Amino acid sequence: DIQMTQSPASLSASLGETVTIQCQASEDIYSGLAWYQQKPGKSPQLLIYGASSLQDGVPSRFSGSGSGTQYSLKISSMQTEDEGVYFCQQGLKYPLTFGSGTKLEIK
Amino acid sequence: QVTLKESGPGILQPSQTLSLTCTFSGFSLSTYGMGVGWIRQPSGKGLEWLANIWWDDDKYYNPSLKNRLTISKDTSNNQAFLKITNVDTADTATYYCARFNNSYVMDAWGQGASVTVSS
Repeated sequence: DIQMTQSPASLSASLGETVTIQCQASEDIYSGLAWYQQKPGKSPQLLIYGASSLQDGVPSRFSGSGSGTQYSLKISSMQTEDEGVYFCQQGLKYPLTFGSGTKLEIK
Repeated sequence: QVTLKESGPGILQPSQTLSLTCTFSGFSLSTYGMGVGWIRQPSGKGLEWLANIWWDDDKYYNPSLKNRLTISKDTSNNQAFLKITNVDTADTATYYCARFNNSYVMDAWGQGASVTVSS
């Protein structure tokens, strides 16, 4: 199985601050990576796919980058509504696997 | 508008079979490239992909659950199903179904169904 390692496990950011979350795959996943946001008590929602493509309706302050085994999600200006848990997911091979999540809070 | 909704028993006892239903709208599982998958999340923990079924009836399972999973679909009624046999307390979780649209990406999710396994 492809292991997805996310960091940090948690972080707090001030309003307007830039936030970066990292995701490392145990092997090259050729940009087959998605990012999801999960707010408390809600289901996950797709933010980014193909490592860098923004899902329709997602604010442009979210962006994804990376290649090979290293990927990142950036929030360019932290907003209150961005609080939640963020997961990466690889789609190169079955079984599909997720990172363990990054909990993002407002400072 | 794509919507999905999970339904299940809520509570069941160890060794029983868990049966889940995903009822969806806004797309068809007879359309090329469409798929529905199941993902679960124990309270306060991460996400675990369980199984996928595709428009052509192709199926994929998470080997970590060995032979306990069976996924199926009813295209006419816009439903997908998941059965997990011989459940135990480790299967206690919120179970989500999600749409897969031509790829590995889960672009729409249901609200989740809470399942508790307890004697």
